[in-house]
This record gives sequence, C-alpha cells and structure tokens, in this order.
Amino acid sequence: QQQVKQSPQSLIVQKGGISIINCAYENTAFDYFPWYQQFPGKGPALLIAIRPDVSEKKEGRFTISFNKSAKQFSLHIMDSQPGDSATYFCAAFTPSGSARQLTFGSGTQLTVLP
Amino acid sequence: GAGVSQSPSNKVTEKGKDVELRCDPISGHTALYWYRQSLGQGLEFLIYFQGNSAPDKSGLPSDRFSAERTGGSVSTLTIQRTQQEDSAVYLCASSFGGGQEQYFGPGTRLTVT
Repeated sequence: QQQVKQSPQSLIVQKGGISIINCAYENTAFDYFPWYQQFPGKGPALLIAIRPDVSEKKEGRFTISFNKSAKQFSLHIMDSQPGDSATYFCAAFTPSGSARQLTFGSGTQLTVLP
Repeated sequence: GAGVSQSPSNKVTEKGKDVELRCDPISGHTALYWYRQSLGQGLEFLIYFQGNSAPDKSGLPSDRFSAERTGGSVSTLTIQRTQQEDSAVYLCASSFGGGQEQYFGPGTRLTVT
C-alpha cells in the first residue's frame, strides 16, 4: 500500500527557475515530513523537514509548504542550479511505538539545465 | 564527525549464497534502520533497532533476512540463500532519540547473479 504519493516522476527546469515537487499522504498519524536529496551512487541526504503544526519552512533556497487539511506537502527550490540536479524523495515518519519508520515517496528526478 | 558507514560498498554473489552487510552508525545515535532501494520498489523499510530493545522486524520481506545489532552500535544484515530479486542497494540510517532525523550511509549495492 503506497501511503506517500509523489509527483512528478521527472522534472526539467532551466537554471534560475523554480522547481516544485508535490507529495500527498493518507495516514494522519504521520508527524514529521522530511525531504531527501540523493545523488547517483550516494545515500539519501536529509535536506529539510517540517512538522504538521507548521505551514511553511524555509532554509536558503529550499521551502516546504504543508497543507494539513489536504494532506499534501511540497518542496520548492528557488533559483534552481545545475548542482541541484538529483533525485528528491519526500517521506513521512510514523511515530507510534515500535513501528517508527520513514515511508518514502517514489522519487522525482530533477534536471536543471545550464 | 564521521557519518554512517557501510561495508562492503559493492557485493556480487551467486544465487543461493549467504551475504552479510555491515553498518556503523553515527556515534551516539541510539536508533538504527535498514532500508532497501530497488528500481521497482523505491525505498522500503526493512528493520529498526532502538537501543537494546527488541527490533521491529515488520519490514523484512522473508525469513531469509535477519539482522542483529551488537552492543547497541554496529549492525549486520544477513541474507541467506540469496535470490536474484534480492539485488538492490541496502541502506542503513541512524538517528538520535526518537528516530525522525535519519542520516543515511552510502549503501551497499548487492548484485545476485
């Protein structure tokens, strides 16, 4: 059962443009929503994260927007750079008891053209 | 400080052989996770250790998979009688306390021929 749906599967953006990746979740028990960036041959790296009591979080060029009622959240990359070209994963954390785990979206391959 | 380390970085094995994958978490992190990343299934949770408590094995795909964590630190994921569908990148992550901020290692790429 896919509990976190991510779109688009791939995204091509011009340098300086805005990249937007969307995720939707079903389980209202999730209480932490991170985004990970992964380069080929590397493990996922924690990029930015948000909790459901906050509607927006910004760190540098990266912003998470969170809509609790719609059960959706998105990553915005402002002034996208070729070095941002990577695969991005949204995730959601299950806090209950022993079943503490991240459930990941399917990933978005971002290409930023120079 | 040092991040999560995993070894080997690559492993090629024949179908039916057993393999052991190792994870060294960030020093002081009490929680340790194993995930599997494959083309068809994305990133899947396998198993979770918190300190010295019994692990949550709910994500292990079959009884051929097992894991242990010695002394609350290093962990080993063992796959017995490997099958071709076990080919994937096996990722280890660790976190402090509640387990939300998880930091991943570089992974072990397993290829079963």
